[in-house]
Amino acid sequence: AQKVTQAQTEISVVEKEDVTLDCVYETRDTTYYLFWYKQPPSGELVFLIRRNSFDEQNEISGRYSWNFQKSTSSFNFTITASQVVDSAVYFCALSEWEYGNKLVFGAGTILRVKS
Amino acid sequence: GAVVSQHPSRVICKSGTSVKIECRSLDFQATTMFWYRQFPKQSLMLMATSNEGSKATYEQGVEKDKFLINHASLTLSTLTVTSAHPEDSSFYICSANLERQGVYEQYFGPGTRLTVT
Repeated sequence: AQKVTQAQTEISVVEKEDVTLDCVYETRDTTYYLFWYKQPPSGELVFLIRRNSFDEQNEISGRYSWNFQKSTSSFNFTITASQVVDSAVYFCALSEWEYGNKLVFGAGTILRVKS
Repeated sequence: GAVVSQHPSRVICKSGTSVKIECRSLDFQATTMFWYRQFPKQSLMLMATSNEGSKATYEQGVEKDKFLINHASLTLSTLTVTSAHPEDSSFYICSANLERQGVYEQYFGPGTRLTVT
């Protein structure tokens, strides 16, 4: 069965601190996709990244970076020099091909960045 | 491109009434759309997969007769909450699949907040 675990329920940091959000997944499929979404108070999901199971290269986009490690089934997300605008709920999600691309979401991590 | 809209964005209804939520892919055709539900301070849970021209596939525990899904065209799926009760109050989010070069990308709507009084 597919499962996504975000063990950190809530994280509080002070502006300019770096913060890492953890994501661990379970799947029996060899072909799958991992995602990170941001959900600000407005509720609309903001797509951050998609990574397929065959691409373990880490990715950096501005202050955001992602570390994908198949050996530990983890797909962690780091925000460097956090800002107040980063405050939101962050979801990690998984989709498997054989299940028609539907997404299984983790419980989410609430990130609070204080000035 | 790849915009998904939902209507209404917010709705308040009385217990026992039915509410219809529309999900539209504005600039692309989507053979598959998904409906998710998110209770306050919880994660998104898939309710059903909506396929154009066929019956929706519901996840375990989701009542088919209560949450009616119709995917009548390649750009529109509707979710009707029948005989709504306060426990149906939730944030409903749809998404639509766009196939690009053999990869399916899922685009989310802005969500509909339903409050049943």
